[in-house]
Amino acid sequence: GENVEQHPSTLSVQEGDSAVIKCTYSDSASNYFPWYKQELGKGPQLIIDIRSNVGEKKDQRIAVTLNKTAKHFSLHITETQPEDSAVYFCAASRGNYGQNFVFGPGTRLSVLP
Amino acid sequence: NAGVTQTPKFRILKIGQSMTLQCTQDMNHNYMYWYRQDPGMGLKLIYYSVGAGITDKGEVPNGYNVSRSTTEDFPLRLELAAPSQTSVYFCASNPSGRADTQYFGPGTRLTVL
Repeated sequence: GENVEQHPSTLSVQEGDSAVIKCTYSDSASNYFPWYKQELGKGPQLIIDIRSNVGEKKDQRIAVTLNKTAKHFSLHITETQPEDSAVYFCAASRGNYGQNFVFGPGTRLSVLP
Repeated sequence: NAGVTQTPKFRILKIGQSMTLQCTQDMNHNYMYWYRQDPGMGLKLIYYSVGAGITDKGEVPNGYNVSRSTTEDFPLRLELAAPSQTSVYFCASNPSGRADTQYFGPGTRLTVL
């Protein structure tokens, strides 16, 4: 079955710097890759996603890149702000169906003022 | 809309006790899910439902039961609590099975002593 690894497990950056979180997956049939942000005491919230027919997707300060050959995808946050501090999860799935998701273990991002 | 609500927020159980975690959504979503989140791990799917009266097992169903008698409610039952069930439990829903429209509840933190 699918296995998703995520690195680093913790990341501290200065406000205004960029942050990069990387995930690798094992199932070449996976074709949908979402990223979730989980703030303290709240449930995960989808922040960006990418499908296997696209190499990169941007939404304001957030971008995701996908390398299908190497089976990895990365979350890029530019101009980080204190409110970006949270735990970020990646996931991989065959198809865009919630029951197929395999989640990474998460990255705790701290943005230092 | 209140979205996805979960009760209780916190609970401590003794080994062998039973309890029901409640999940309700007011968005008329057909698909609902229960996940558990262990420290340092990604979310793992326990059970899911594609509509009232229909449920199916996820990756880690042992020790749990679910029912779906209405569209709104998807309770998760622990019959004989064990320390291994200490975790944070998240309920989620989406209208059509598509995870890019998936909404998570705030979670229930359960400790079994």
